Amino acid sequence: KAGVTQTPRYLIKTRGQQVTLSCSPISGHRSVSWYQQTPGQGLQFLFEYFSETQRNKGNFPGRFSGRQFSNSRSEMNVSTLELGDSALYLCASRGRLNTEAFFGQGTRLTVV
Amino acid sequence: DQQVKQNSPSLSVQEGRISILNCDYTNSMFDYFLWYKKYPAEGPTFLISISSIKDKNEDGRFTVFLNKSAKHLSLHIVPSQPGDSAVYFCAASAGSGGGADGLTFGKGTHLIIQP
Repeated sequence: KAGVTQTPRYLIKTRGQQVTLSCSPISGHRSVSWYQQTPGQGLQFLFEYFSETQRNKGNFPGRFSGRQFSNSRSEMNVSTLELGDSALYLCASRGRLNTEAFFGQGTRLTVV
Repeated sequence: DQQVKQNSPSLSVQEGRISILNCDYTNSMFDYFLWYKKYPAEGPTFLISISSIKDKNEDGRFTVFLNKSAKHLSLHIVPSQPGDSAVYFCAASAGSGGGADGLTFGKGTHLIIQP
């Protein structure tokens, strides 16, 4: 069974630009969540989608948004990038009955 | 306000001995707790979990203990092996049955296994 796949693995963007990250969950998983990892703040929850609906949202500004498609794939978008958005962005999927979240390898975003 | 706290940023243990990683939480609504292991440049890997209706869960060398009254959980690794060297994250979830809530993570403990 394939794991959670995130693309791209690495990304360099300029301040003010916008970026879209992609996540394909484990087959059969309908819940996809996104996390930001930075050295100072650790792993912080961004939002979670279930059956194309955002079910929960962390404490991040509106520049961070996401969506989920009917095949459970998810995208995360960050607009008007700031230097502080440089981080490892992790996607995780969960099965309907399981509560363990399985993570992808992440997308390393660098804003210059 | 940090709801999940791992107060030891790092821990060094000799190979073959027991590693004990600790985690405290403040939110009484948390009812499901998980431990993840993370290597650099990789996503966290799920290790073991425990529901709030239990006080212990064991899986091979890994055992998680939950003390609800103290809002404290710990991960025991016995015996510790070199491959266990990694950052360990404690995570908690509220209302986890529906899988709708995000996980709240601690900041991690870097476990170093000394040969």
